[in-house]
Amino acid sequence: GENVEQHPSTLSVQEGDSAVIKCTYSDSASNYFPWYKQELGKRPQLIIDIRSNVGEKKDQRIAVTLNKTAKHFSLHITETQPEDSAVYFCAASISNYQLIWGAGTKLIIKP
Amino acid sequence: DVKVTQSSRYLVKRTGEKVFLECVQDMDHENMFWYRQDPGLGLRLIYFSYDVKMKEKGDIPEGYSVSREKKERFSLILESASTNQTSMYLCASRSGAGPYEQYFGPGTRLTVT
Repeated sequence: GENVEQHPSTLSVQEGDSAVIKCTYSDSASNYFPWYKQELGKRPQLIIDIRSNVGEKKDQRIAVTLNKTAKHFSLHITETQPEDSAVYFCAASISNYQLIWGAGTKLIIKP
Repeated sequence: DVKVTQSSRYLVKRTGEKVFLECVQDMDHENMFWYRQDPGLGLRLIYFSYDVKMKEKGDIPEGYSVSREKKERFSLILESASTNQTSMYLCASRSGAGPYEQYFGPGTRLTVT
């Protein structure tokens, strides 16, 4: 079945620097790749997603890139701010209903 | 705004008890999901329901059952709670017609002693 690996498990960056989180997936039939952000004590919320017919998508300081050949996708956050501190989850869709989730990356923004 | 609520934020139960976790959404979503969240393991799907009275097993259904008698409500049942079911339980809902965003509830922290 589908497997999603996410790296790193913890990422610490200086405020203002960029952060990159990477995920790989195993099922080439996966066609939808969302990223969710979970702040401490709060529920996960979608921040950006990408479909398999698109290579890159941007929304202000965040962007997601997809390499279907290599079966990996990445989240890029530029000009990091304290409010970016959170756990980020990637996921891959194997069907209309089911997402397979990565284990999460704890992003720490150092002042 | 989509609102997904869960019946309890914190719950403490004893081993062997029957436990009910309820989830309610107010956006007329067809699809609803139950996940458990454990550190380092991400979100693991227990069960999902794509419509009223319809349910499908996820990745870790053992020890759990679900009920969806009304469109807005999706219940997770632990028939006989065990200590290895101590976890954070998250409910989510999503429109069946798309977009695919899942809206999560605040979670229930269940401790089984």
